[in-house]
Amino acid sequence: DTGVSQDPRHKITKRGQNVTFRCDPISEHNRLYWYRQTLGQGPEFLTYFQNEAQLEKSRLLSDRFSAERPKGSFSTLEIQRTEQGDSAMYLCASSPGTSGGSAADTQYFGPGTRLTVL
Amino acid sequence: AQSVTQLDSQVPVFEEAPVELRCNYSSSVSVYLFWYVQYPNQGLQLLLKYLSGSTLVKGINGFEAEFNKSQTSFHLRKPSVHISDTAEYFCAVSAGGYQKVTFGTGTKLQVIP
Repeated sequence: DTGVSQDPRHKITKRGQNVTFRCDPISEHNRLYWYRQTLGQGPEFLTYFQNEAQLEKSRLLSDRFSAERPKGSFSTLEIQRTEQGDSAMYLCASSPGTSGGSAADTQYFGPGTRLTVL
Repeated sequence: AQSVTQLDSQVPVFEEAPVELRCNYSSSVSVYLFWYVQYPNQGLQLLLKYLSGSTLVKGINGFEAEFNKSQTSFHLRKPSVHISDTAEYFCAVSAGGYQKVTFGTGTKLQVIP
């Protein structure tokens, strides 16, 4: 068990550019979550996958944001036409999905990708 | 809708002193409650969680929390802190049947030697 990994750890981009982040969950975890964390705030939920199915999306996720988990393993989060307001830490978490209600699942977090939009 | 309030943004405490980090929540349904810790340059790590049963929950690193339904609180305590406890602590709530976890704004614990 190597933990949740995220790549890259840091990304600096210019406004208007597209960026893509990758998350590799703990193997055999079938649930995967994306959060955004801005300075002085707690993580804010963005979206959630059960295997390859995207089951919930936050209203924070504008049309410029898209997430995929094509084979139920790794996931990508893409931001198109980045804006300065997108600057934040993007966190990925995974959970085993063994709890029936899943709301009780312990989520295991990666180290995050820090995005800076100039 | 569910929400979490962590009233203290920063808590300084001397080493070996006790500490309590406060957390209040609101939800219209039964909840699960969590405390996560974030050390500098590391991902969030679960300290403890309350799902049901005993209202006193013991976690890692000597931390414990007590679920108080009437006061809608889930305060985190440690009887004697160590320098290594310096970190940011997040309270979180998840309502039954939903996947979404709502986090508080965090409390930075600074342990003073």
